[in-house]
Amino acid sequence: GQQLNQSPQSMFIQEGEDVSMNCTSSSIFNTWLWYKQDPGEGPVLLIALYKAGELTSNGRLTAQFGITRKDSFLNISASIPSDVGIYFCAGQAGGGADGLTFGKGTHLIIQP
Amino acid sequence: GAVVSQHPSRVICKSGTSVKIECRSLDFQATTMFWYRQFPKQSLMLMATSNEGSKATYEQGVEKDKFLINHASLTLSTLTVTSAHPEDSSFYICSARGASGYITGEQFFGPGTRLTVL
Repeated sequence: GQQLNQSPQSMFIQEGEDVSMNCTSSSIFNTWLWYKQDPGEGPVLLIALYKAGELTSNGRLTAQFGITRKDSFLNISASIPSDVGIYFCAGQAGGGADGLTFGKGTHLIIQP
Repeated sequence: GAVVSQHPSRVICKSGTSVKIECRSLDFQATTMFWYRQFPKQSLMLMATSNEGSKATYEQGVEKDKFLINHASLTLSTLTVTSAHPEDSSFYICSARGASGYITGEQFFGPGTRLTVL
């Protein structure tokens, strides 16, 4: 099956630092999504990307859909304590009726 | 808008019993609902895709007779774990895709159900 390689697996940063994480795939996805999951809760959508090359921002978050449709990155600027959590990339190969393939997650830990 | 609920949020059961988990779209109609499973410190894995009024489509390696899915209405899908065993203990999360008027590909996730089988 399709797999997403997400890195880094975890990040230990200082409050105020910028964060960058990325996902790559050996196959093409038509949609890339970035989610944040807090412990014991379902994932919450942060940014959705629908076109190759698309660069989208949501507040301090910026994500891009790679031109080859096989990769995406998420940047978080000026991190704050509430950014702590696990971030997942997810890809959708087909249309809206398809389930999502998730990356293994990036655990973000912020040291005050 | 676009709220998805799950019930129960936590369930503990004995080995061999069956457990039903409900997934509801509260303020929209969902033609398609998805069921995912997440083991501790791991990613979400798609188990099955459920379309209203038709049989669910299961991912490879997921036993359809063990994980019964029913999508009887546009706002409700249920997952029944039959004859549960300790290895079925996991976090089960559903998502729902809007029938119309929503951005293609966007799925709204429920808060998850923690199943513990003793």
